[in-house]
Amino acid sequence: ETGVTQTPRHLVMGMTNKKSLKCEQHLGHNAMYWYKQSAKKPLELMFVYNFKEQTENNSVPSRFSPECPNSSHLFLHLHTLQPEDSALYLCASSHPGLAGEETQYFGPGTRLLVL
Amino acid sequence: GQQVMQIPQYQHVQEGEDFTTYCNSSTTLSNIQWYKQRPGGHPVFLIQLVKSGEVKKQKRLTFQFGEAKKNSSLHITATQTTDVGTYFCAGATSGTYKYIFGTGTRLKVLA
Repeated sequence: ETGVTQTPRHLVMGMTNKKSLKCEQHLGHNAMYWYKQSAKKPLELMFVYNFKEQTENNSVPSRFSPECPNSSHLFLHLHTLQPEDSALYLCASSHPGLAGEETQYFGPGTRLLVL
Repeated sequence: GQQVMQIPQYQHVQEGEDFTTYCNSSTTLSNIQWYKQRPGGHPVFLIQLVKSGEVKKQKRLTFQFGEAKKNSSLHITATQTTDVGTYFCAGATSGTYKYIFGTGTRLKVLA
């Protein structure tokens, strides 16, 4: 599946580093999402963007900073992360409001390790 | 806040046995979705249920949405090794497309 792509696929960073995760969707959707998936925890919704506007910030620490320049691209800027932030970060897109099109299509994820 | 729980957390079955996972929401949902995540993969959409008491089938998979729209179940008949993975439900409340994912049920099928 190439509808939603994420880069990089794997990332190792120190606690003082700054890095960015990128997500791109080629499905013509207007909503994009960031999720965090840790071991033994459910998928946690982090941010939701609809038509480039942030509509949800699920009490995410400020060391995670999202950016949505257009409906096809979504970034997650990372700075001064903690080891407990190590997880799989998943991007998804959907077309909410259109009956039957609320399916979320997930990207392959970025496996992040914070040392 | 809204919580979505799934049971069981893990299930090991012999190939050919049936499997069921249950999803319970703390709040009434407008609709519920089910996803499957293979080991090392990402969640893939299976189905969406919208109506109270709705039942949908996909080959060996049967999905139900409770009458009160607070619970749902996924039943697999005669499991196969290809059914291995984690099954998540995800519920949304009215007026929002914010989906809260359940805790997931990890299925292992022994050949």
